[in-house]
Amino acid sequence: EVQLVQSGAEVKKPGESLKISCKGSGYRFTSYWIVWVRQMPGKGLEWMGIIYPGDSDTRYSPSFQGQVTISADKSISTAYLQWSSLKASDSAMYYCARPNGVGAHDALDIWGQGTMVTVSS
Amino acid sequence: QVVLTQTPSASASLGASVKLTCTLSSGHSSYAIAWHQQQPEMGPRYLMELNSDGSHSKGDGIPDRFSGSSSGAERYLTISSLQSEDEADYYCQTWGTGIYVFGPGTKVTVL
Repeated sequence: EVQLVQSGAEVKKPGESLKISCKGSGYRFTSYWIVWVRQMPGKGLEWMGIIYPGDSDTRYSPSFQGQVTISADKSISTAYLQWSSLKASDSAMYYCARPNGVGAHDALDIWGQGTMVTVSS
Repeated sequence: QVVLTQTPSASASLGASVKLTCTLSSGHSSYAIAWHQQQPEMGPRYLMELNSDGSHSKGDGIPDRFSGSSSGAERYLTISSLQSEDEADYYCQTWGTGIYVFGPGTKVTVL
């Protein structure tokens, strides 16, 4: 079964750093892009950026460029989303997803279960 | 840049049908989209990819009562024989060179 399994919920203070993960299984992890998506409380879905684990080619939505860092460790089939200094406004649910083709942009047919990030003093 | 528009809400009675619309912005009527369902307190679930000619391919395990169709710049999701578990938010999603775009979502209420 193709699946993406994300790390658990996090509660952090403003200014702290954080790295959340998304582990792929059931398919060749290095052959498909991984997309990160944010959903703020009660709001819609926003594309943050994408990474190709095969060579770590990474591209960011202009809205998130410089705000987060996306990386991957292909040896353990895991992609990451990290913050160096969290803000309260980073509190949201974060999803990873996989396009259904080998291109960078396509229908997202596999979704992780989400990681809830809460930033509060 | 492509923009997707969706009606904020829709409702229909249990067992009835509902048709949701996702509209592509001007100049982008040839784009394919995907439909996703998000039940309360759950993550998104891929329903189908829908092309401009109305052909569509559904995700694994998606019931036959979910179907897609297209007309011009509009992409439709029809849910027949509405069940209580169909009460959810429905998002359309498209893509282009260097971008992903999501619609604002339609909240479906089953009466």
